[in-house]
Amino acid sequence: GQNIDQPTEMTATEGAIVQINCTYQTSGFNGLFWYQQHAGEAPTFLSYNVLDGLEEKGRFSSFLSRSKGYSYLLLKELQMKDSASYLCAVRDRERGGSYIPTFGRGTSLIVHP
Amino acid sequence: NAGVTQTPKFQVLKTGQSMTLQCAQDMNHEYMSWYRQDPGMGLRLIHYSVGAGITDQGEVPNGYNVSRSTTEDFPLRLLSAAPSQTSVYFCASRPDRVLSGYTFGSGTRLTVV
Repeated sequence: GQNIDQPTEMTATEGAIVQINCTYQTSGFNGLFWYQQHAGEAPTFLSYNVLDGLEEKGRFSSFLSRSKGYSYLLLKELQMKDSASYLCAVRDRERGGSYIPTFGRGTSLIVHP
Repeated sequence: NAGVTQTPKFQVLKTGQSMTLQCAQDMNHEYMSWYRQDPGMGLRLIHYSVGAGITDQGEVPNGYNVSRSTTEDFPLRLLSAAPSQTSVYFCASRPDRVLSGYTFGSGTRLTVV
């Protein structure tokens, strides 16, 4: 099993930068995902980290430190449409050769003008 | 290319009724999963499949059955609905590549009265 911790809610200002943290404890780490979920919609895939370091994709970046069990999602130049829930998911458990992600409870980000 | 299609979008059941939530994907993905999402609980894995004819239990399998007779379809059956199964259900799929995230269906909002 594993524990995944994220802040429940964060607020930020349009145009600013926000960092959403995720800490985890696993018995067999094999990758960490970030998903975005707008209210009433399905989650959409943002990023995947399996090695230590920073992965950058446009305004969004994701960082991983496996030794610390820590990741963050960095959102730059915030826009109102970035108001959503951000889900951290860790791939850990191996069954039949597969790796199934377990999701944290998500961080609700509110961007205000 | 429709992606992951879930039906129905909304459903109300009486306690004790049975029903099947449908999920189909047209991307030839090997991996498919069912999650339920409840307020404050995040996404929890119900059942998953790594290919046609292969299924396994997730974190919260009780009261649900699945089958995977084809690559495309992965239906979720509620055997005898209970109010505790009131939730939003998401089906998701991904290809058999390590760096791939899940593609989610739009969800089924189920209420059991």
